[in-house]
Amino acid sequence: QITLKESGPTLVKPTQTLTLTCTFSGFSLTTPGVSVGWIRQPPGKALEWLAFLYWDDDQLHSPSLRTRVTITKDTSKKQVVLTMTNMDPVDTATYYCAHMSTGTGEFDYWGQGTLVTVSS
Amino acid sequence: DIVLTQSPDSLAVSLGERATINCKSSQSVLYSSNNKNYIAWYQQKPGQPPKVLIHWASAREFGVPDRFSGSGSGTDFNLTISSLQAEDVAVYYCQQYSNNMVSFGQGTRLEIK
Repeated sequence: QITLKESGPTLVKPTQTLTLTCTFSGFSLTTPGVSVGWIRQPPGKALEWLAFLYWDDDQLHSPSLRTRVTITKDTSKKQVVLTMTNMDPVDTATYYCAHMSTGTGEFDYWGQGTLVTVSS
Repeated sequence: DIVLTQSPDSLAVSLGERATINCKSSQSVLYSSNNKNYIAWYQQKPGQPPKVLIHWASAREFGVPDRFSGSGSGTDFNLTISSLQAEDVAVYYCQQYSNNMVSFGQGTRLEIK
């Protein structure tokens, strides 16, 4: 059974760096074709893809956030970490991590999400 | 970047009637190597993460009711609910995976008329 769970701060100040951890189970991030992605959703708004990390450590980022987002993994802990610099109130959103099979191109398993508010 | 545009933004349909949501892509999402369109459809209810309904434009996920169907190819795709049920009230999103990039449509809110 595949599960994912996001954890991290619920409140960050403007200009600070956000670090979120996705802890997963039920799959290995070393299996070819597997990736873990980060997606966010501002309150009442649409989904926005941020980045994903492939099984081979390659990572891809949304062009609009490329300079601010880094994604890393700890294979032994089964964790993927999202780092986003220079946070702004417009970055207030629910942040989701999700499992993707690149063969189908779908996010087939999602965490419950974590709401991050950016405010001074 | 590939932009997905959904229409309409909101839709009200009577119970038992058909609902159709369109998703247009700014570029083709058809992979010639396997002849698959990398479009997925999601349903999101309040307070919940999205749930995938369809992948490869028309392949229904296991356990998704057969009243949900996907169609289209290239740049034009539809999600159809053949007979709307009360539990289908949600926001629906299309998503593409092409050239190692991902994008979502802006969402369509589906309500009961």
